Amino acid sequence: EDKVVQSPLSLVVHEGDTVTLNCSYEVTNFRSLLWYKQEKKAPTFLFMLTSSGIEKKSGRLSSILDKKELFSILNITATQTGDSAVYLCAVEATSGTYKYIFGTGTRLKVLA
Amino acid sequence: KAGVTQTPRYLIKTRGQQVTLSCSPISGHRSVSWYQQTPGQGLQFLFEYFSETQRNKGNFPGRFSGRQFSNSRSEMNVSTLELGDSALYLCASSRGTEGYTFGSGTRLTVV
Repeated sequence: EDKVVQSPLSLVVHEGDTVTLNCSYEVTNFRSLLWYKQEKKAPTFLFMLTSSGIEKKSGRLSSILDKKELFSILNITATQTGDSAVYLCAVEATSGTYKYIFGTGTRLKVLA
Repeated sequence: KAGVTQTPRYLIKTRGQQVTLSCSPISGHRSVSWYQQTPGQGLQFLFEYFSETQRNKGNFPGRFSGRQFSNSRSEMNVSTLELGDSALYLCASSRGTEGYTFGSGTRLTVV
């Protein structure tokens, strides 16, 4: 059965800390892995990863994919209270009944 | 540019009723996907439409159906509502080459 597992489930840090969020997956016919940030309702797109070992960066956020070990990490450096959100990992698979399989997310709370 | 628009934003229905939710994608996006989000199950894929055709379907019962119109707008229908259908229903659109852009969702409460 296809699955995406995120860890930790929740995390509380102080402003300025660096956090690493993990996403591991087991899917048939992997195509891409995506990270989203969900603050209230609509998740907002962060990164799409398709190739192993190539880091994607956007400001203080970065992410990398390891297709051999079947996982991805999302790093946030110098965290701010505005980074508080649920971070979702989703894997796109090209076969089976599912298109995108989402993890249940990591809830990050950044304290001032 | 306008984002993904979902209507209504909130809905309360009773068991056994049916409901139709609407999603207008970003202009130029031809792919529309629907997701159900509940606290216990996270975000679960319902189905995806592309050019008026259902391209992928998740593992939901036949009470959940959808369609896409020629202008890419999509509707999702749930018949014979059950209490467990209470959730946030999210629609997302994509041009196909990058990640999806989500709407703000429709919060459905079944009583």
